[in-house]
Amino acid sequence: QQQVKQSPQSLIVQKGGISIINCAYENTAFDYFPWYQQFPGKGPALLIAIRPDVSEKKEGRFTISFNKSAKQFSLHIMDSQPGDSATYFCAATYNTDKLIFGTGTRLQVFP
Amino acid sequence: NAGVTQTPKFRVLKTGQSMTLLCAQDMNHEYMYWYRQDPGMGLRLIHYSVGEGTTAKGEVPDGYNVSRLKKQNFLLGLESAAPSQTSVYFCASSYPLGNRVRNIQYFGAGTRLSVL
Repeated sequence: QQQVKQSPQSLIVQKGGISIINCAYENTAFDYFPWYQQFPGKGPALLIAIRPDVSEKKEGRFTISFNKSAKQFSLHIMDSQPGDSATYFCAATYNTDKLIFGTGTRLQVFP
Repeated sequence: NAGVTQTPKFRVLKTGQSMTLLCAQDMNHEYMYWYRQDPGMGLRLIHYSVGEGTTAKGEVPDGYNVSRLKKQNFLLGLESAAPSQTSVYFCASSYPLGNRVRNIQYFGAGTRLSVL
């Protein structure tokens, strides 16, 4: 019940296309859902986050869509660029000291 | 502003050897974490600390020990390294949950450890 399931494991997108990464959770107590971005050789860094009282949050080309009834949330990267090539982790937490991370998606954007 | 600094960046150990990984943060964060990252398994929490002098077990604590003697430092120890501990280790820090920024974790660049 503590798991966050993430798919796909890897994703290849052409420049200008839309990248979509999906996550699902079971624990309805989760109340904060961040996405982290990790470039090769670096640590993860917060990209964007959402709370379950909104269905969508947009920051530039990055959008989180949240479906509370389905217990799913997804990251959309519009107009994907080669510089977006990285590993993306979804995560969830609920009034605790810990984040529960998904298994990660390796995104490659080709010119 | 250095943020979260991990040392060393790389290390090769033989089975049975011991070592300590050091994490230092200069953001005055209360909370600190140690994760391991393995292909296809994401980030798994080893141990964490909610303040100086406190530590708690995470998801995969076996074979590791930690200490938080100073607020800015969090040490991860391997007493007798095993090949299964070959991984990339990340340290992170954050503010307490009551803070408005709500558990944004700031990560170091990682330590790549190989145990032969």
